[in-house]
Amino acid sequence: GENVEQHPSTLSVQEGDSAVIKCTYSDSASNYFPWYKQELGKRPQLIIDIRSNVGEKKDQRIAVTLNKTAKHFSLHITETQPEDSAVYFCAARKGSGGYNKLIFGAGTRLAVHP
Amino acid sequence: DVKVTQSSRYLVKRTGEKVFLECVQDMDHENMFWYRQDPGLGLRLIYFSYDVKMKEKGDIPEGYSVSREKKERFSLILESASTNQTSMYLCASSFPEVNTEAFFGQGTRLTVV
Repeated sequence: GENVEQHPSTLSVQEGDSAVIKCTYSDSASNYFPWYKQELGKRPQLIIDIRSNVGEKKDQRIAVTLNKTAKHFSLHITETQPEDSAVYFCAARKGSGGYNKLIFGAGTRLAVHP
Repeated sequence: DVKVTQSSRYLVKRTGEKVFLECVQDMDHENMFWYRQDPGLGLRLIYFSYDVKMKEKGDIPEGYSVSREKKERFSLILESASTNQTSMYLCASSFPEVNTEAFFGQGTRLTVV
C-alpha cells in the first residue's frame, strides 16, 4: 500500500524566514496531495492541495510543488509568522470513484520564533 | 458550516472493556475514516468506509472493528481495550472524488487503564 514519509519531524525558524517541508510517496498511482495544518488542541484542516497533473500551486504565502518522477512534494511557507506555528501533515490519495484511502505522513512540528 | 462530530472528547476505560467511539457527519459524505494520532507517528489509518455497510482495513486495523449502518455515522469499536490503544482518535469524512477535502472531527482522547 501507499507509504508517505515526511521530513523534518521538527522545524524551528525565525519570524520572516522561509520554511520547507518535504514528503515522498511510494505509490506512483497516487494523484492527489493535500497538506493539513493542526494547531495545538484543534483538528487538522486543509491548507493547500495539488493534483498530479500540476507541478506547482501557490496561495499567498504558501506554495506546494510536486515532482511526479521523483515521487516527492514539498510545502513552502514564506515570510513565516508566529501563527504559522503548528503541526503540518502531508498526505497522498489515489483511486477513482469512492474507493480511495487518504494516507498521511508523520507530521512536522513547525515553531516560528518572534 | 460543515460538521464532523465525535461523541466524546475524553474517555477513560479499563483494560478488557469493549469501547465504542462514535462519529457523525452532516455533509452527506460517502467516505469516512478513522485515524489514530500518536506523537512522532502522525495520523495512521485504522479503517475507512466508502459506503453504507462497506469498509476496508487501513494500515493498523488489529484490535479494532468498525460499523457503518447509516451514511452519516461511522463507529470505531475496540473489542477488548488494551493500554497500547491509549491514543487520540480522529474521525474524518469526505466526498468520494479523490481530490476532495477531508473534514475532521475534534478528536477523542482515549486512555485505557
